[in-house]
Amino acid sequence: TQLLEQSPQFLSIQEGENLTVYCNSSSVFSSLQWYRQEPGEGPVLLVTVVTGGEVKKLKRLTFQFGDARKDSSLHITAAQPGDTGLYLCAGARGGSNYKLTFGKGTLLTVNP
Amino acid sequence: DSGVTQTPKHLITATGQRVTLRCSPRSGDLSVYWYQQSLDQGLQFLIQYYNGEERAKGNILERFSAQQFPDLHSELNLSSLELGDSALYFCASSVEGLAGSKQFFGPGTRLTVL
Repeated sequence: TQLLEQSPQFLSIQEGENLTVYCNSSSVFSSLQWYRQEPGEGPVLLVTVVTGGEVKKLKRLTFQFGDARKDSSLHITAAQPGDTGLYLCAGARGGSNYKLTFGKGTLLTVNP
Repeated sequence: DSGVTQTPKHLITATGQRVTLRCSPRSGDLSVYWYQQSLDQGLQFLIQYYNGEERAKGNILERFSAQQFPDLHSELNLSSLELGDSALYFCASSVEGLAGSKQFFGPGTRLTVL
């Protein structure tokens, strides 16, 4: 059983469309991170959210941490081909604050 | 470029063999993390070292071991290799040793076991 479930698993959209990807769990996390990974490279950290209900914006990307700190979402406005990649969420749990648990990711393809 | 280097980039070997993957963290980072990424399991945390000492263990098999040297570089040793060990192995580093710390990932080593 995956501790962090990401959906959808695959998403293919046209340039200019908006999209939302989700990261859900039955467990509470002390913090949650979102990464983007491009082919042949390691994941790159986009944002860390730590407070329930927190919303962070990074240009066209909006990240939200659920009030109960069990889930998160990533919304991209007016997607561009450069947004193509694997989006991973990762959670740190209070009782084991040295380990990050990753979801399996959402593979996003933005077609020009 | 994250500043984390990993060698080799690709490694092809046979079942039953032993390999060593190497990681050099970013300058100033004391913590090194190892991850395994496969299509079916996703990115799995293996083990973490902080300033030379093991700090946390994840889903690391007994056939695998790691260490961090005084100059802070780290090696991941994989022995008695099986087909299922074929995967991407990533090293990450951070200044602090907490999971919520900003981790910088290396480019990975792609291991193929034939």
